[in-house]
Amino acid sequence: DVVMTQTPVSLPVSLGGQASISCRSSQSLVHSNGNTYLHWYLQKPGQSPQLLIYRVSNRFSGVPDRFSGSGSGTDFTLKISRVEPEDLGDYYCLQSTHFPPTFGSGTKLEIK
Amino acid sequence: QIQLVQSGPELKKPGESVKISCKASGYTFTDYAMHWVKQAPGKGLKWMGWINTYTGKPTYADDFKGRFVFSLEASASTANLQISNLKNEDTATYFCARRERDYFDYWGQGVMVTVSS
Repeated sequence: DVVMTQTPVSLPVSLGGQASISCRSSQSLVHSNGNTYLHWYLQKPGQSPQLLIYRVSNRFSGVPDRFSGSGSGTDFTLKISRVEPEDLGDYYCLQSTHFPPTFGSGTKLEIK
Repeated sequence: QIQLVQSGPELKKPGESVKISCKASGYTFTDYAMHWVKQAPGKGLKWMGWINTYTGKPTYADDFKGRFVFSLEASASTANLQISNLKNEDTATYFCARRERDYFDYWGQGVMVTVSS
């Protein structure tokens, strides 16, 4: 299985500040069709995960442009600018290029 | 609007079985596969497998072969997860999630299953 390594495990940020989360995969996530199936989720406390970014850099419906995704191959980043209180929670990357789909271990975004 | 509504929390004893449901609304149920994800207390997300909502064919991740069964009540737009011979390590929240192309776009609220003697 593809191992997804997220860093940091915990990320203290100030409200209004910027956060950056890294996700590295043990294999390239470029599919044979040329697409890269790397996605990002936020799980707020007590809630189910919600999709933020799909296919590396596409914001899902209703996701503010403070969230942006980038990367290629095995190295991906989620950036959150102007952090707001509702951004706090656990962030997970997910790869669906290879079977089975695998999630990163998570990054907890918390207030500094 | 698209919703996945799951059944309520369960408290079971080791060796018992549990069946949890995921009712979809706001879209054509058979147009999208349904996936299942496990989250143990305080832990991350683990993909369990999926069911083809058109054919009813299930596919299980290696760690979830044997005691886990995905099924459908397509007429009721509902997907089910049954776990038999429950073990303490099955204590977790179980999510259903709709798959849109290559990502999970809508998730159920999760069902907490507690296994304790």
